[in-house]
Amino acid sequence: AIQMTQSPSSLSASVGDRVTITCRASQDIRNDLGWYQQKPGKAPKLLIFAASSLQSGVPSRFSGSGSGTDFTLTISSLQPEDFASYYCLQDYNYPYTFGQGTKLEIK
Amino acid sequence: QVQLQQWGAGLLKPSETLSLTCNVRGGFFSGYYWTWVRQPPGKGLEWIGEINHSGSTNYIPSLKSRITISLDMSKNHFSLKLRSVTAADTAVYYCARGGVTGYGKIWFDPWGQGTLVTVSS
Repeated sequence: AIQMTQSPSSLSASVGDRVTITCRASQDIRNDLGWYQQKPGKAPKLLIFAASSLQSGVPSRFSGSGSGTDFTLTISSLQPEDFASYYCLQDYNYPYTFGQGTKLEIK
Repeated sequence: QVQLQQWGAGLLKPSETLSLTCNVRGGFFSGYYWTWVRQPPGKGLEWIGEINHSGSTNYIPSLKSRITISLDMSKNHFSLKLRSVTAADTAVYYCARGGVTGYGKIWFDPWGQGTLVTVSS
């Protein structure tokens, strides 16, 4: 199975900060990667698919980039509702695999 | 707008069978991958399997001998069964719809609300 290594595992930041979360795949996955946001006690929510395509209704402060093995999720200006956990998911081949997650906390 | 609502037993004893159902409201089955993901308490997400409208399935290898995902389009739902559960299967289980764009890119949306399944003697 493809291993997805996500970093950092936790991150403290302030409202208005720009933050970046990275995900590295153990092999080339083209751009077959999505990013999901999860708040405590809630289901994950799709933010980005195909590495850089913003899901409809998701604020434009979220962006994704990368291809091959290295990917990035960027939040350009943190808002209070963005404090949550974030996961990458490779859908290049089966079994699909998630990164271990990044918990974004308020500084 | 498609909504997924899931239900099933939340407390099982070791060796019993986990059974969850996910109802699909406001959408159709064709062209999508109906998916299950689980999350042990305090841990990350794990994709465990999917079924398409033709009944073709894919499962995570670690569960392949115990898992069955099925589809009943007449009842607008799909289901997960996991046999011979142990404490390691304790998790919140989510159903989700997997879609594919015209150029073959995959996304998962929406998701069910999640069901906590606890395995304990």
